[in-house]
Amino acid sequence: DAGITQSPRYKITETGRQVTLMCHQTWSHSYMFWYRQDLGHGLRLIYYSAAADITDKGEVPDGYVVSRSKTENFPLTLESATRSQTSVYFCASSESTSWNEQFFGPGTRLTVL
Amino acid sequence: DAKTTQPTSMDCAEGRAANLPCNHSTISGNEYVYWYRQIHSQGPQYIIHGLKNNETNEMASLIITEDRKSSTLILPHATLRDTAVYYCIVRVANDYKLSFGAGTTVTVRA
Repeated sequence: DAGITQSPRYKITETGRQVTLMCHQTWSHSYMFWYRQDLGHGLRLIYYSAAADITDKGEVPDGYVVSRSKTENFPLTLESATRSQTSVYFCASSESTSWNEQFFGPGTRLTVL
Repeated sequence: DAKTTQPTSMDCAEGRAANLPCNHSTISGNEYVYWYRQIHSQGPQYIIHGLKNNETNEMASLIITEDRKSSTLILPHATLRDTAVYYCIVRVANDYKLSFGAGTTVTVRA
């Protein structure tokens, strides 16, 4: 289906394990984003990417790694998961020439035990 | 970015107009007002945005005061499916970053 998808939708892992959350969009949008959403903090930007091979830190990047080898994919990796990274993660994308809206994926609920 | 202030929650009757206020008294001349909403367990969804003039689309209307220090999002005929958290965001043109605050939890009641 066209749009933006995230996988897995739910993930339970243990402290210290590496976890990768996937994000895929079919619009060929240049910009892609990763947010996390926690009670009391709203949505916070983790990383963003302006194009393939171009990424930059957002508001809360510590403990996360991103890559963007292809325009349509923007994986987020937790190299050594911690309990504080338990959250709902949203991926989003937007066109390069329009800042009007970001399109969000359905989210991944991650629990770190 | 300028900060916004929104009421924590509000109720609305189904079929009536819902008027959601937002204060952004420190907004700069090049900052737009954006509205997004987030229905439970879903990703945020863009609603509308504006700079100075009032705007309307198929989802809502946006009324911005002349001094631009506040705005109101109007859902003309609220339905139960409009129950969501609504976020008012100010953003510089061509800045891809969105800063979400706490938003307003809108509950539409039958």
